Amino acid sequence: DTAVSQTPKYLVTQMGNDKSIKCEQNLGHDTMYWYKQDSKKFLKIMFSYNNKELIINETVPNRFSPKSPDKAHLNLHINSLELGDSAVYFCASSQPAGATDTQYFGPGTRLTVL
Amino acid sequence: SQQGEEDPQALSIQEGENATMNCSYKTSINNLQWYRQNSGRGLVHLILIRSNEREKHSGRLRVTLDTSKKSSSLLITASRAADTASYFCPLIQGAQKLVFGQGTRLTINP
Repeated sequence: DTAVSQTPKYLVTQMGNDKSIKCEQNLGHDTMYWYKQDSKKFLKIMFSYNNKELIINETVPNRFSPKSPDKAHLNLHINSLELGDSAVYFCASSQPAGATDTQYFGPGTRLTVL
Repeated sequence: SQQGEEDPQALSIQEGENATMNCSYKTSINNLQWYRQNSGRGLVHLILIRSNEREKHSGRLRVTLDTSKKSSSLLITASRAADTASYFCPLIQGAQKLVFGQGTRLTINP
């Protein structure tokens, strides 16, 4: 069983389109995250949700809107895609109450905007 | 931004040799983690060492932590081709936010 799964794995789309990436975790964790990894491999946090509530919102354009229908799912919707949005997006989850701070990452979604 | 800085940026060794990479940081920490990212894959948590620990082992991995020098090292013994990956030591900031550096890119040559 995959602990943190993302769909799709690859996403190729035209500039200006709207797309969504889905994430699900079956670890029973309360907290989920979205990270962006650019072409230079820098990984930066975008959002964090704890039990469906937004707790971290970095300086991300408001074209990016996360949605957490329940604590096992955190989806990322991107409006009006731009070339600079091309990157690999990783979902992660953790259980802060366990105090180990370990985050479990999904396999990533490689987004290419043409 | 407070992040762990991995050094060297790139490391290439022969299979079977040991690989050592370092991490330096500037803030006080409760613990320090190491993650691995194989090419085209997500990150995998390798090991966590708490601030009151000096050394920790997990299989072929050995991590040390020197809080007085604000540094950590990750040693991989008897390296294998599958160890080829990037290695990160992100720091926790605020509400569980991991702050990543650029990582050490390790290549194991056959």
